[in-house]
Amino acid sequence: TQLLEQSPQFLSIQEGENLTVYCNSSSVFSSLQWYRQEPGEGPVLLVTVVTGGEVKKLKRLTFQFGDARKDSSLHITAAQPGDTGLYLCAGGGNAGKSTFGDGTTLTVKP
Amino acid sequence: KAGVTQTPRYLIKTRGQQVTLSCSPISGHRSVSWYQQTPGQGLQFLFEYFSETQRNKGNFPGRFSGRQFSNSRSEMNVSTLELGDSALYLCASSSRQGRGTEAFFGQGTRLTVV
Repeated sequence: TQLLEQSPQFLSIQEGENLTVYCNSSSVFSSLQWYRQEPGEGPVLLVTVVTGGEVKKLKRLTFQFGDARKDSSLHITAAQPGDTGLYLCAGGGNAGKSTFGDGTTLTVKP
Repeated sequence: KAGVTQTPRYLIKTRGQQVTLSCSPISGHRSVSWYQQTPGQGLQFLFEYFSETQRNKGNFPGRFSGRQFSNSRSEMNVSTLELGDSALYLCASSSRQGRGTEAFFGQGTRLTVV
């Protein structure tokens, strides 16, 4: 069974600060997705990384896939209250049976 | 292009009853997966359907079942509801099976069992 561990589990910061959340596994994944979920809503796909060492940027968000494709990180620059949410990483196998981490709950205070 | 639509959004049922949840995937998507999300367990995979066939199944009891229709719409059914079945049930659609395919989620159905 492929497991994904996310850290930290909870993160509370002030607006304008930078942060990094991590997604780690002992298994190799063919791809990895990052999602953001707001309370009572479904996860929204942010990015997919597929190549070891790949870096993708989405405005203030930077995603990196580890060289060995076993880990990933999400860095947010100058966090805003609108970034508040649950950040989930998911590793593919078959898309229909992605393995999800338990998530990092981020709170950005104004 | 419309997103994934789940109905109903909210549902309250009594222990012992059964419930059916519906999911309409993104047009053209043939793969539909179902997940249960609870605060303590996170996102747990229930099952996946592709072209009307169940392709994968998670570790849930037989009270949880599903099906997919020829238009790719999917339903999941939970029989003999238990208090522990209270959760957010999420449906995700993908354009195809296979590695690296992204899943797009609906808003979920919040089921409360009392």
